[in-house]
Amino acid sequence: KQEVTQIPAALSVPEGENLVLNCSFTDSAIYNLQWFRQDPGKGLTSLLLIQSSQREQTSGRLNASLDKSSGRSTLYIAASQPGDSATYLCAVKLNAGGTSYGKLTFGQGTILTVHP
Amino acid sequence: DADVTQTPRNRITKTGKRIMLECSQTKGHDRMYWYRQDPGLGLRLIYYSFDVKDINKGEISDGYSVSRQAQAKFSLSLESAIPNQTALYFCASSVWGPYNEQFFGPGTRLTVL
Repeated sequence: KQEVTQIPAALSVPEGENLVLNCSFTDSAIYNLQWFRQDPGKGLTSLLLIQSSQREQTSGRLNASLDKSSGRSTLYIAASQPGDSATYLCAVKLNAGGTSYGKLTFGQGTILTVHP
Repeated sequence: DADVTQTPRNRITKTGKRIMLECSQTKGHDRMYWYRQDPGLGLRLIYYSFDVKDINKGEISDGYSVSRQAQAKFSLSLESAIPNQTALYFCASSVWGPYNEQFFGPGTRLTVL
């Protein structure tokens, strides 16, 4: 059974700092990995999607890397801002023998607080 | 307008009541999903549907049922609500294929007293 773990559970940093969020998964046979942002009382916003054949994806100040063989992904946030404060979730989609019903397995999330 | 919408956004009900949560998407996706989120447990899949005639149980389907009324609509029902079904419920949709990205609705916060 695929298990996804995110470390740390919570992180508080001063504005302007570069930071790294970690995600690990137990089964390396994945189609892709997705990073989401969740604001209080709101839904999930997809930040980055990395296919299993890719090593990283970038969007603005965000960079996500994937090391499938070691079962790890990191989300790097450059020059953090108070508006980055949210819960960040990673989710992996398992490669179920050539077919996929789209099931995502989620980590518990990292609660990020960026203070001015 | 949001691509994936959910109604209601908040609901408080009593034990034993029947509740229906509704989801609509305007993205033309064929696949739809229902998840629940509990503190410390992340999101877990309740049901998923590949198309109107294809509905499948997820990892925590007990106590829930679903209906895919049309390609764009997917409803989740709690036949007899119980307090441990208090959670945040999310609907999502995606296109066919293993490399697809899932798009989520804003969530429904359900409280069962």
